[in-house]
Amino acid sequence: AQTVTQSQPEMSVQEAETVTLSCTYDTSESDYYLFWYKQPPSRQMILVIRQEAYKQQNATENRFSVNFQKAAKSFSLKISDSQLGDAAMYFCAYRSYFGDSGYALNFGKGTSLLVTP
Amino acid sequence: DGGITQSPKYLFRKEGQNVTLSCEQNLNHDAMYWYRQDPGQGLRLIYYSQIVNDFQKGDIAEGYSVSREKKESFPLTVTSAQKNPTAFYLCASSVIDKGLDEQFFGPGTRLTVL
Repeated sequence: AQTVTQSQPEMSVQEAETVTLSCTYDTSESDYYLFWYKQPPSRQMILVIRQEAYKQQNATENRFSVNFQKAAKSFSLKISDSQLGDAAMYFCAYRSYFGDSGYALNFGKGTSLLVTP
Repeated sequence: DGGITQSPKYLFRKEGQNVTLSCEQNLNHDAMYWYRQDPGQGLRLIYYSQIVNDFQKGDIAEGYSVSREKKESFPLTVTSAQKNPTAFYLCASSVIDKGLDEQFFGPGTRLTVL
């Protein structure tokens, strides 16, 4: 199974500032999918952004963007103009293109993001 | 509104008892999943199903069982064989596609063994 590593258990950012959350993964596949999910205190999992490996262009969703480095197997999430509502646990996830595990996701252990006023 | 419901929100179990967690979806998704979340851990896959009457073990299936008698429903039974069942359980569903399709998650069930 592919391994997803989030090396930052906790991060802190001031409101309106920018923060980058790191994610690396291990795979021998050439095509796959990567996701960032957010889990606020309510514990509801919410999709933040997604990327297909064969697309070189980095995905962007409003204030959220990724830096996808395929050769380095790195998929970091950048949050710009941080808001108090961004405080949550963030999970990086990998999904095999070939449907290993029925298209289930392999998750990292998460990064807890604290946003300070 | 379409979505995934899980019940109950909180569940308490005595040691040695089996308990069943409910998961229902009205998104017309073929695939459904059960994940377990522990503090400091990511989500780990317990079981998944891509079609009615068929399901597959995930990474941590020991001590759990599932059924898929209806497309909309994928209940999870935590058996007495599960040595450390206290955790947060999340159900998810998705279409089956080699695309970027999102997995939708339910609100979760917190299981505590007393």
